Amino acid sequence: GENVEQHPSTLSVQEGDSAVIKCTYSDSASNYFPWYKQELGKRPQLIIDIRSNVGEKKDQRIAVTLNKTAKHFSLHITETQPEDSAVYFCAAVGSNYKLTFGKGTLLTVNP
Amino acid sequence: KAGVTQTPRYLIKTRGQQVTLSCSPISGHRSVSWYQQTPGQGLQFLFEYFSETQRNKGNFPGRFSGRQFSNSRSEMNVSTLELGDSALYLCASSWGTSGRGSTDTQYFGPGTRLTVL
Repeated sequence: GENVEQHPSTLSVQEGDSAVIKCTYSDSASNYFPWYKQELGKRPQLIIDIRSNVGEKKDQRIAVTLNKTAKHFSLHITETQPEDSAVYFCAAVGSNYKLTFGKGTLLTVNP
Repeated sequence: KAGVTQTPRYLIKTRGQQVTLSCSPISGHRSVSWYQQTPGQGLQFLFEYFSETQRNKGNFPGRFSGRQFSNSRSEMNVSTLELGDSALYLCASSWGTSGRGSTDTQYFGPGTRLTVL
């Protein structure tokens, strides 16, 4: 089945800096890659997603890139703010039709 | 539009008991998926229901089961509880109409925190 690895597990940045979280996947048939943000004690919320026919997608300060050849995708957050502090999960839907999640990255934005 | 709701929010059970969790999807959504979230294993897929049928299943023992009703509400049941079943159980709903492995956005509920003593 699909295996998704996510790095780093923790990331600390200064307010205003950029943050990058990287994920790799194993199933070359994977075609959908969402990113979820989960604040402490809250539900995961979709922040951006990308499909396999697109290489990059942007939404204000958030962008996701996909490299199908290398089987990796990344989340980029620019001009980070303290409210960006949360756990971020990448995920992929592969040939087993299941949403497989990475283990998460705890992002801390220091004011 | 009301979001995904789950009841109860917290549960404490003892080993050997069984438990039933409920999930009400966003109005109009026909797919409901269930996930188990633990600090060690992260978010793991349990199963997906669409139009009252289990459409996909994760790698969990048969003690974990579910069902979906005609109004798309879903329940999951865990029998013979073990200490390791302590987790946050999340459900997520989506339109689900693009087939198995749907890439429709999944909207999560707040979860049910199950503690097994």
